[in-house]
Amino acid sequence: GNSVTQMEGPVTLSEEAFLTINCTYTATGYPSLFWYVQYPGEGLQLLLKATKADDKGSNKGFEATYRKETTSFHLEKGSVQVSDSAVYFCALSAPTGGTSYGKLTFGQGTILTVHP
Amino acid sequence: DAGVIQSPRHEVTEMGQEVTLRCKPISGHNSLFWYRQTMMRGLELLIYFNNNVPIDDSGMPEDRFSAKMPNASFSTLKIQPSEPRDSAVYFCASSSRRLETQYFGPGTRLLVL
Repeated sequence: GNSVTQMEGPVTLSEEAFLTINCTYTATGYPSLFWYVQYPGEGLQLLLKATKADDKGSNKGFEATYRKETTSFHLEKGSVQVSDSAVYFCALSAPTGGTSYGKLTFGQGTILTVHP
Repeated sequence: DAGVIQSPRHEVTEMGQEVTLRCKPISGHNSLFWYRQTMMRGLELLIYFNNNVPIDDSGMPEDRFSAKMPNASFSTLKIQPSEPRDSAVYFCASSSRRLETQYFGPGTRLLVL
């Protein structure tokens, strides 16, 4: 079955530090890959996505590249801000055509705290 | 667009009572998902619907939980009877087949005393 493994948290950084949150996946076929972010007290929001190998998703200074050869989709940001403090979820979508189309498989989430 | 709407936002109830959570998906979306989030178990998919039909309810914890989607613009998740271990944040999300991306509502914080 499909699965997503995320880097264990929590992650604590100082403002302007470089961020990497690792994500690897197991899936049949060619899934789409997502990063969602959850700010305190809110629902999950899509941060970025990539739908095929070597695609790079980017948003708000965050980037992630779909690496099929290493089955990875690591999240990076060059300079984090206090406002980036949140929980980050890596996810994959089941391949097109199956009855489980549209179902997302989530990682366990990584808590990021950024200090001034 | 108003996004996914959930009600109530907070619910406090006593053990044994019936709880009904409501969700209005984004207009035009044909898939709807119910999730539960706790510190211990993280984010769990309970059930999802495509075109108002339940596709996978394998995540529903037990018979006390039931979900319906009578039309494309409304869904309910019911817990009867509720127990303290049901305390969690329940999220509803919707998506369209073409876009794949799921859009989450703000969640309902449920506390069962």
